[in-house]
Amino acid sequence: AQKITQTQPGMFVQEKEAVTLDCTYDTSDPSYGLFWYKQPSSGEMIFLIYQGSYDQQNATEGRYSLNFQKARKSANLVISASQLGDSAMYFCAMREGRKGYSTLTFGKGTMLLVSP
Amino acid sequence: NAGVTQTPKFRILKIGQSMTLQCTQDMNHNYMYWYRQDPGMGLKLIYYSVGAGITDKGEVPNGYNVSRSTTEDFPLRLELAAPSQTSVYFCASRGAGGRQLGETQYFGPGTRLLVL
Repeated sequence: AQKITQTQPGMFVQEKEAVTLDCTYDTSDPSYGLFWYKQPSSGEMIFLIYQGSYDQQNATEGRYSLNFQKARKSANLVISASQLGDSAMYFCAMREGRKGYSTLTFGKGTMLLVSP
Repeated sequence: NAGVTQTPKFRILKIGQSMTLQCTQDMNHNYMYWYRQDPGMGLKLIYYSVGAGITDKGEVPNGYNVSRSTTEDFPLRLELAAPSQTSVYFCASRGAGGRQLGETQYFGPGTRLLVL
């Protein structure tokens, strides 16, 4: 079974609108972390936001927020007020395991296109 | 502060040739990782290291070798290149600091490898 599932291969949004990118995860580890990375067409991986499994509040970083629903095992990324520069591939990832030896598992990604 | 650097940026190899992908970080991070990204896919972990002299296999280690003689460097060796190793290779590192900083992996710009 996939550990990270991103069901939206592509999403379209108009500039200044909000968009939600879906991510569900599967783990039996009580301690885990969830990440979102952005990969623009230039290819680099840019860290956006992090949510720990024990965090009580949803993480926010500027226009990015993570809608963390632990019981549903979902960690959706919300981008408010989309900008043209948000057009990119977005990857959800999960950290499992003992912290020192933990590794990241990535989803297949969602391509976001922002139109004027 | 250069972060994570990778060389070369792009390389074409013939089947059976060998090469080393270089990765260096200047953040004094203990943990370093090698991933590959195939077209249209997420990243898959090849090898990782929790400190100098300590390495371990990830999800897709076959056909690769690593070493970690210093904190800064984590080279990835391809001994007998095969077309299946055509991919983009990313190196990443993370520290052992506080909650989010200690969790987050920071990526290099990637190396595009084409095996013909």
